[in-house]
Amino acid sequence: KQEVTQIPAALSVPEGENLVLNCSFTDSAIYNLQWFRQDPGKGLTSLLLIQSSQREQTSGRLNASLDKSSGRSTLYIAASQPGDSATYLCAVKNGGSQGNLIFGKGTKLSVKP
Amino acid sequence: DGGITQSPKYLFRKEGQNVTLSCEQNLNHDAMYWYRQDPGQGLRLIYYSQIVNDFQKGDIAEGYSVSREKKESFPLTVTSAQKNPTAFYLCASSPRQGGFAEAFFGQGTRLTVV
Repeated sequence: KQEVTQIPAALSVPEGENLVLNCSFTDSAIYNLQWFRQDPGKGLTSLLLIQSSQREQTSGRLNASLDKSSGRSTLYIAASQPGDSATYLCAVKNGGSQGNLIFGKGTKLSVKP
Repeated sequence: DGGITQSPKYLFRKEGQNVTLSCEQNLNHDAMYWYRQDPGQGLRLIYYSQIVNDFQKGDIAEGYSVSREKKESFPLTVTSAQKNPTAFYLCASSPRQGGFAEAFFGQGTRLTVV
């Protein structure tokens, strides 16, 4: 059974720092991996989608990498800002579960001014 | 604007009452999903639907029911059989089931038992 783990559970950094969020998964047979952002009491906003054949995706200050063979993904945030404060969720789409997303528990990020 | 609309934003349920959460999408997506989110836990899949008039149970379907009579609508009913319904409910859609498609989420409904 696929399991997704996100480390750390919480992270606090000063404004301007570059940071890395980690996601690991146990079954490498995935279609893709998606990173989401969730603000308190809100839904999920899709940040980046990496297909299983890709190594990385970039959007603005965000860069996500995928190493399928080792079951790992990282989300790199450059020059962090207080507006980046949110919970970041990683999810994989399994090949064997009819395409349903399996989520990690998230990393709660706080960027201090 | 295209997107997924969930209503209501907040919902209160009395003991023994059934309540229905609405999810509507105008993205012309085939697949739709319902997830439940509890503090300290990841999102868990309740039900999903690949096409109209077809739906499948997810990991925690007990105490819930759904229908898919129209492509754009996938309502979730929380029945009195669900013993711990207080949670944040999220609806999602995707262009097609399986494969490589990206998933999009609504803004959620917070259900509280009073």
